[in-house]
Amino acid sequence: AQSVTQLDSHVSVSEGTPVLLRCNYSSSYSPSLFWYVQHPNKGLQLLLKYTSAATLVKGINGFEAEFKKSETSFHLTKPSAHMSDAAEYFCVVSDYNAGNMLTFGGGTRLMVKP
Amino acid sequence: DTAVSQTPKYLVTQMGNDKSIKCEQNLGHDTMYWYKQDSKKFLKIMFSYNNKELIINETVPNRFSPKSPDKAHLNLHINSLELGDSAVYFCASSQTLPSGGETQYFGPGTRLLVL
Repeated sequence: AQSVTQLDSHVSVSEGTPVLLRCNYSSSYSPSLFWYVQHPNKGLQLLLKYTSAATLVKGINGFEAEFKKSETSFHLTKPSAHMSDAAEYFCVVSDYNAGNMLTFGGGTRLMVKP
Repeated sequence: DTAVSQTPKYLVTQMGNDKSIKCEQNLGHDTMYWYKQDSKKFLKIMFSYNNKELIINETVPNRFSPKSPDKAHLNLHINSLELGDSAVYFCASSQTLPSGGETQYFGPGTRLLVL
């Protein structure tokens, strides 16, 4: 069975400082991993995804994530936070053996202070 | 030129009523999904349809009945609405890839409030 744990339910940073949102996963096969962002009262937008190519994945809006198999982690980072980054972020795993069904983490709410 | 659209955006109704939510995708994808997001923002798959056939049916009360008239549409009908059905319902679509890992594209959500 696959599962995702987002280690922080809330993260608060100051504008211009780095962002780190942590994610650990469990999967029986080689997983595909995604980060989605949800702005208030909006749908989910794909930030980036990993599908067994390069372990460092670059996404939109300056975000990137590194797949570390030995640590079963897929942490999301950004060098410098912007006010518009304030949103809910979801780490998601998809396993070929589970019919490519998406399993979502509990979400991390990112707050950006001026 | 919305890729995945849902109607209505908001739905307020009384307990016991029957309601439908519609979803359409213009991406030419072969698979569509319904997800439920609860008040704590937790997202869980409800159904998945591939080429109009039910593929995934998670533990969902049979008051919920999905209908896929064609590959571009997946509607969700809910009978005898209960307070606990209040949530945001998201439709999504994807194109099956041989190796898996396909990206799902989400609609804007339908906010259902049952009074």
